[in-house]
Amino acid sequence: DIQMTQSPSSLSASVGDRVTITCRASQGISNSLAWYQQKPGKAPNLLLYAASRLESGVPSRFSGSGSGTDYTLTISSLQPEDFATYYCQQYYSTPYTFGQGTKLEIK
Amino acid sequence: EVQLVESGGGLVKPGGSLRLSCAASGFTFSSYSMNWVRQAPGKGLEWVSSISSSSSYIYYADSVKGRFTISRDNAKNSLYLQMNSLRAEDTAVYYCARARRDGYPDAFDIWGQGTMVTVSS
Repeated sequence: DIQMTQSPSSLSASVGDRVTITCRASQGISNSLAWYQQKPGKAPNLLLYAASRLESGVPSRFSGSGSGTDYTLTISSLQPEDFATYYCQQYYSTPYTFGQGTKLEIK
Repeated sequence: EVQLVESGGGLVKPGGSLRLSCAASGFTFSSYSMNWVRQAPGKGLEWVSSISSSSSYIYYADSVKGRFTISRDNAKNSLYLQMNSLRAEDTAVYYCARARRDGYPDAFDIWGQGTMVTVSS
């Protein structure tokens, strides 16, 4: 199984800050990586797929990069609605594993 | 509106069974692979199972293999998860989720609101 390790597990930031979350796969996943945002009591929401492709309707302040085993999610200027938990997921091979999540909190 | 609506969750005793359903609307259900993903209370996301559009390809997480069965009825625009021999560790919110494309592994672009399954005596 491919293990996905996200860091940090939690992060405090302020509105307007630039934040970066990283995700490392235990083996190469050829950009088969998605990022999701989840708010309390709600289903996850797809932000990016194929490591860097923005899902329709997602604000352009969200971006993704990476290759091989290392990937990043960047939020260029935090907005109040961005405080949530973020998950990476590899879909290179089953089982489709998720990172453990990064909780983004207001400083 | 593209929508997935899960149902069938509830309280069940260890060793019991439950069948979850997911009703799809607003898109051509028969053209997409579908998935079940669960989330234990206060925990992260765990992929459970996937099924291709024509049911030709089915995959399970090791944690549920042999106990859970995924299926679909394209005529009814519905996805199912039959859960047998339930354990306390199966307690979670269960989401159905659509894969962006059929025939290729892809991200999950549409999610239902989830249905809670509680396994407890």
